[in-house]
Amino acid sequence: DGGITQSPKYLFRKEGQNVTLSCEQNLNHDAMYWYRQDPGQGLRLIYYSQIVNDFQKGDIAEGYSVSREKKESFPLTVTSAQKNPTAFYLCASSIYSHLRVGETQYFGPGTRLLVL
Amino acid sequence: GNSVTQMEGPVTLSEEAFLTINCTYTATGYPSLFWYVQYPGEGLQLLLKATKADDKGSNKGFEATYRKETTSFHLEKGSVQVSDSAVYFCALRDYGQNFVFGPGTRLSVLP
Repeated sequence: DGGITQSPKYLFRKEGQNVTLSCEQNLNHDAMYWYRQDPGQGLRLIYYSQIVNDFQKGDIAEGYSVSREKKESFPLTVTSAQKNPTAFYLCASSIYSHLRVGETQYFGPGTRLLVL
Repeated sequence: GNSVTQMEGPVTLSEEAFLTINCTYTATGYPSLFWYVQYPGEGLQLLLKATKADDKGSNKGFEATYRKETTSFHLEKGSVQVSDSAVYFCALRDYGQNFVFGPGTRLSVLP
């Protein structure tokens, strides 16, 4: 079955520690995205990537980093510079085309990050 | 820039009641419009979409019509069930742009 997997489901971070959230897709999508969701809030875009080896900052990129070395993988690192990292993190992917605006964005099951 | 506005929640209904969740948008071009649903502790799932004016998206008894003249995409269901309890997000995608999501509306359906 095609889809997006995120791991782990729960992640705990200690003070001053960097942690990496995994996101893998087998939908052959060019574009991948990371969102942050706080309790009772909407989605805020952290980073996105439209092609391999290229990525762009979203609205709240400070304290986060990403890489896109393979089409199917888009890991997110939450660095120690992110002072309030506790949130639900969602990875998504879609076909990327300036002309195909109706293409759906598909989401993974999410990773909940908690600070110890 | 582009934006999406949704009605404030939470919305609490009794089972079999009629549901409307309002969504309006601001966009510079001709966006596609989407409704997503999120169940507790899960990611978002596409519920329905419409790609041009006057299109009606429908799925699982939910419907929404793309109204360009009122820049709206209101979600409706004739008879809600307890299993419809979730958070509903309205979203748009414009040419060459990323998705823009509304803040979400929490729906609770009581038996």
